[in-house]
Amino acid sequence: KAGVTQTPRYLIKTRGQQVTLSCSPISGHRSVSWYQQTPGQGLQFLFEYFSETQRNKGNFPGRFSGRQFSNSRSEMNVSTLELGDSALYLCASSQRLAGYLHEQYFGPGTRLTVT
Amino acid sequence: DAKTTQPNSMESNEEEPVHLPCNHSTISGTDYIHWYRQLPSQGPEYVIHGLTSNVNNRMASLAIAEDRKSSTLILHRATLRDAAVYYCILRDGGTDKLIFGTGTRLQVFP
Repeated sequence: KAGVTQTPRYLIKTRGQQVTLSCSPISGHRSVSWYQQTPGQGLQFLFEYFSETQRNKGNFPGRFSGRQFSNSRSEMNVSTLELGDSALYLCASSQRLAGYLHEQYFGPGTRLTVT
Repeated sequence: DAKTTQPNSMESNEEEPVHLPCNHSTISGTDYIHWYRQLPSQGPEYVIHGLTSNVNNRMASLAIAEDRKSSTLILHRATLRDAAVYYCILRDGGTDKLIFGTGTRLQVFP
C-alpha cells in the first residue's frame, strides 16, 4: 500500500507570494491533517479535513487555508508569504471510524523556504 | 488545550530498555495519550496510544499512571534505529486534534 505523498518536496518562494502544497493520502483514508514544523515552535496543527469538510482548525491566521477533494486529496494554500512561514509542512492521513481513533500516517513533508 | 512536558533529551545503550517519561497534569478525562516518533528527515511515525490502561504493541509499551497525569513509553530493547525524537501527544477526545509537545531526542549508542 502506497504511503502518504506530498508534492513538491522542496519549494523556495519570496515574500508576498502565495504557495499551494499538495497531499495524497493513503488509499481508503478519508481524513487529512496538516501540520507546520519549525525549530522554534515544533509541530503545530493547522487544520483537518474529512469528506471535503474542515473539521478542525489550529491557531493560524487566515492566510493559511486548505481544501479537500472528493478523492480525499488535499491542498493547503498560504497567501502573502512571510519569512516566518519558512517551515516543514507535514500532511497526515487516517481512517476515521465513529467511536474509534486510528493513528495518523505522515508524509515526508514539503520544505518551504521564504526569502 | 492540555499540554505535555518531556525531557529534551535522553541517552541509551543498544539492547538496553528505555523509559521515556511524559507529564500531562492538565489532561482531561477524554484525552487520549499518543506517542509518535520522528526519525531524521522523515515525518512522524505512530508508536502507540492509550486512554487509561497500559498498552503493548510490537514496537513498545505504554504505562499510564493511575491518575493519568503522567505516562511512560517503554522500548524494551533499544536499537540504533530507535534514535529519534519521541513525541508524547494528547489527542483531544472532543475535537480529535493532536497537540504535540516539544519531544525527547533519544540517542542510542552501540
